[in-house]
Amino acid sequence: KNQVEQSPQSLIILEGKNCTLQCNYTVSPFSNLRWYKQDTGRGPVSLTIMTFSENTKSNGRYTATLDADTKQSSLHITASQLSDSASYICVVSDRGSTLGRLYFGRGTQLTVWP
Amino acid sequence: EADIYQTPRYLVIGTGKKITLECSQTMGHDKMYWYQQDPGMELHLIHYSYGVNSTEKGDLSSESTVSRIRTEHFPLTLESARPSHTSQYLCASSEGSSETQYFGPGTRLLVL
Repeated sequence: KNQVEQSPQSLIILEGKNCTLQCNYTVSPFSNLRWYKQDTGRGPVSLTIMTFSENTKSNGRYTATLDADTKQSSLHITASQLSDSASYICVVSDRGSTLGRLYFGRGTQLTVWP
Repeated sequence: EADIYQTPRYLVIGTGKKITLECSQTMGHDKMYWYQQDPGMELHLIHYSYGVNSTEKGDLSSESTVSRIRTEHFPLTLESARPSHTSQYLCASSEGSSETQYFGPGTRLLVL
């Protein structure tokens, strides 16, 4: 069964600190993996996208890694800011589907305190 | 910021009412999607469309219906709302072969 599991479910950190969010998936065949940021009351916004051959990708203070062999990804946030408080969703796409079938994790709820 | 809009943002209605959730995008995307999301849970695809006059049901069974008469509009309709329909509904769109979906702000529906 194709699944996407994220950990931790929730995380509280102090402003300025770093954190790492985890994503494990069983989706096969694999096409790509995205990390989305969803602010409260808003729709998800894409942060990064990685294909099978990419190991790491950065977007400002966000750095995503991918290990396609172990089917694991992480999102590292550096020097956190209050505006980073949001739900971070890992989304995996399978290959060979016309629709580009997406599998969503439940997200990690990050709260950054001043 | 993606040019995809949803109205209303919040809706509280009584059981049995007919409602339509609006979604429109100005990016000319051919593919559009409706997702349902409960608090702390993953998004579930309920409807999608490849283009005008094309609609398909998603993975999660839903009593709602959709239509795609124009490229930019993808409204979702509930003929008779029930408390079990209480949820957040997210609309998204994507272009051609790109799998990156752009999401609207969502509609939070509460059925009493």
